Amino acid sequence: ETGVTQTPRHLVMGMTNKKSLKCEQHLGHNAMYWYKQSAKKPLELMFVYSLEERVENNSVPSRFSPECPNSSHLFLHLHTLQPEDSALYLCASSQEVAGNTEAFFGQGTRLTVV
Amino acid sequence: RKEVEQDPGPFNVPEGATVAFNCTYSNSASQSFFWYRQDCRKEPKLLMSVYSSGNEDGRFTAQLNRASQYISLLIRDSKLSDSATYLCVAHTGRRALTFGSGTRLQVQP
Repeated sequence: ETGVTQTPRHLVMGMTNKKSLKCEQHLGHNAMYWYKQSAKKPLELMFVYSLEERVENNSVPSRFSPECPNSSHLFLHLHTLQPEDSALYLCASSQEVAGNTEAFFGQGTRLTVV
Repeated sequence: RKEVEQDPGPFNVPEGATVAFNCTYSNSASQSFFWYRQDCRKEPKLLMSVYSSGNEDGRFTAQLNRASQYISLLIRDSKLSDSATYLCVAHTGRRALTFGSGTRLQVQP
């Protein structure tokens, strides 16, 4: 099994749909993240979970709702999205250790909102 | 001002060339730094960590200058397979990594 797995890899949804993105990590890490990558823009941090507790919500609209049921799983629930939300959504995990916290990424979910 | 700034490029270099990327960070409290590589439509992957003393991994050398708050990546003897976007990353103490917008490298035959 790969370290960080995201499903689905591709998703097309209408603006009135509700869908969820799933992320699972098999690395024994204690922190998980959602990042958004739009075309020609840098990676934007959305949410951080450390020890299953949300420690950061980076001014993300409420139409994005994260859930972290345990240290290995992370979800991003989507509802009433806008076309500008179309992007690559990347999940990452890391082991929080003071001074050095490299992150490992999943392959991402490419989301298109129509 | 962006927390992590990079020249977006593209850098077009011939095979065998040496190319250097710089990156600056604004938060002096940043604790650790990395270079990630991202291929087109793929996820970022760690290339190397950056230490104050500088570190080398084969053809790649990374340097950190805390006084000037910049990080560099040097690639020697460029290969076609080095073509990618290189992301400068700082751990800013907000419990997450902050990414630069990336520098695109295109190595040409």
